[in-house]
Order: sequence, then C-alpha cells, then structure tokens
Amino acid sequence: DAKTTQPNSMESNEEEPVHLPCNHSTISGTDYIHWYRQLPSQGPEYVIHGLTSNVNNRMASLAIAEDRKSSTLILHRATLRDAAVYYCILRGAPLMNRDDKIIFGKGTRLHILP
Amino acid sequence: EAQVTQNPRYLITVTGKKLTVTCSQNMNHEYMSWYRQDPGLGLRQIYYSMNVEVTDKGDVPEGYKVSRKEKRNFPLILESPSPNQTSLYFCASSLSGSSGSNEQFFGPGTRLTVL
Repeated sequence: DAKTTQPNSMESNEEEPVHLPCNHSTISGTDYIHWYRQLPSQGPEYVIHGLTSNVNNRMASLAIAEDRKSSTLILHRATLRDAAVYYCILRGAPLMNRDDKIIFGKGTRLHILP
Repeated sequence: EAQVTQNPRYLITVTGKKLTVTCSQNMNHEYMSWYRQDPGLGLRQIYYSMNVEVTDKGDVPEGYKVSRKEKRNFPLILESPSPNQTSLYFCASSLSGSSGSNEQFFGPGTRLTVL
C-alpha cells in the first residue's frame, strides 16, 4: 500500500503563507495526490487533489514535484480557521492484484499563531 | 443538500452487545468506506465498498462486518463489541472507486464507547 510521510506538526503566523510538505516516494503512475483537512470536532473535508500538474482552487494550491515523489500544500494566507490536521493521501485506480485501500496516516497538525 | 449521514452520533454500550452504525449518502456514490480514528493513530480504514454487493477489508477489519445491499447505505456492524473498539468512526463516500481522482465526502462521525 502506498504511504505518505508528513511532519507531525507545524506552526505559522496568521495572514502568512503556509507550505505543508508530503513525501510519497513509492507513488505509482496512476496515483492521485489528495489533501484533506480535519477541523476540531469535525470529519475530514476535501481540500485539493492532483496528478502531475500543479493545481489551484479557492482553498489552496498544490505543488507537485516533477518526479511526483513529494508535494506541497500551500495555504496562501493562513487564518485562525485554518488550524487543523492536514492529511496527504494517495489514491489510485484499483488494478489487478492491487486493492483500493486508502491510508490516511497521522497527518500534520497545523497551529496558527495570531 | 449533498451529504453523508451517520446514526447514532454518540453511543455507549457494553461488551458483547451487538450494534449497528448506519451510514447513508444521497449523492449516488459508488464507493463507500468506514474509518476509525484513535488518538495518536490517525484515521484507519476498516472496510470499503466499490459498489453494491462488493466489499473489501481495509487495514483494521477485525471485529467488524459491513454490508452493501443498496447503493446509498453502508452499515457497520459490531457483532460482539469489545472495549478496544471504543473510537470515533467516520463513514465516507466518493463518486467512484475506479478512478483515483474522486474526492471523498465524510460523515459527521459516531463516537462509540464500549464498557
């Protein structure tokens, strides 16, 4: 099962950009990189995903390394409401002899300092 | 409103008393999944279903059963709950499991305590 590694925690100042790294050295060619976040006392929510090219949406940007072995979630201007646990996961199409398990890991707890 | 619902939201029970946590989605999603979340261990997948009548084990399936008789429902069954199944449970769904590009939608969670 493809796994990701993330720092346990990070801190950032309010209104500054935040770069959350994720390593996924065993990524396969069909794996998409997904990011989710979990606010306190809530279920995880989708943030962004990508395959090879960098992606932008209203919540964040996703920068994917050329070799796809790492990626970075970018929050352009962090607010106190962005304090959450951020999960980077891989999700691929199920192939013969490969299941579609999803492995979340422990994520990165992001603290925002006012 | 597109959503994943879980019931009950909170449950306290005793060891050995069978229980079912229901999960329902109104988005016509093919893929559904159950996770448990424990302090220090993150989210771990219990079971998932690619479509009706198709279920597979996740990383921590022991002690759990699931069924997928209808597309919208994916109940989690604990035949004989034990204290180590005390946890926060999340149900999730996504449009399809045949592509890695589909985002998952999560329910609000069910906090289960087994005494």
